Amino acid sequence: DTAVSQTPKYLVTQMGNDKSIKCEQNLGHDTMYWYKQDSKKFLKIMFSYNNKELIINETVPNRFSPKSPDKAHLNLHINSLELGDSAVYFCASSRDSLPGANVLTFGAGSRLTVL
Amino acid sequence: QQPVQSPQAVILREGEDAVINCSSSKALYSVHWYRQKHGEAPVFLMILLKGGEQKGHEKISASFNEKKQQSSLYLTASQLSYSGTYFCGTENAGGTSYGKLTFGQGTILTVHP
Repeated sequence: DTAVSQTPKYLVTQMGNDKSIKCEQNLGHDTMYWYKQDSKKFLKIMFSYNNKELIINETVPNRFSPKSPDKAHLNLHINSLELGDSAVYFCASSRDSLPGANVLTFGAGSRLTVL
Repeated sequence: QQPVQSPQAVILREGEDAVINCSSSKALYSVHWYRQKHGEAPVFLMILLKGGEQKGHEKISASFNEKKQQSSLYLTASQLSYSGTYFCGTENAGGTSYGKLTFGQGTILTVHP
């Protein structure tokens, strides 16, 4: 049973299109995250939700819109895709967002390629 | 601001030791270490909370000097399976971090037979 699962694993699309990535965790965790890993392997946090409430919203273009229908799910919708959006997007979860309780379990990643 | 890791890359033979350092300009509450193998997700290794503790995980251990805002990861008697990119993730002290981890740029460790 996969703890944090994200779909799709690969996305290849044209500039200007809209795409979504879905994430689900079955660990009973309260907090979920989206991280972006670029071609230089730099891992940067984008968003975090704690029990469906947005708690971290980094400087991310508003073309990116997260949505958490319940605490086990966190989706990412991207409008008007640009070449620079090409990256691997990792979903992660942690028990909660309290100091020291934020050990991350990552999903397998979704590799987005924008042509 | 992201923590700085050094070295950027390490090449070892099986059985050799390595140290990876992580340094922050901010006061820290905790330091996490993760390992990412090629094409896979980062996997949690250990967390060190402020208090200057040292932790161990098989032949991998780490220390945290909160006064210097530094952590070091020690890999002893390296195995082929240790190859990968190691990331430190830091959580700032004070205020409300909301669980936010800021990752270093990664250290690529390659172990050869």
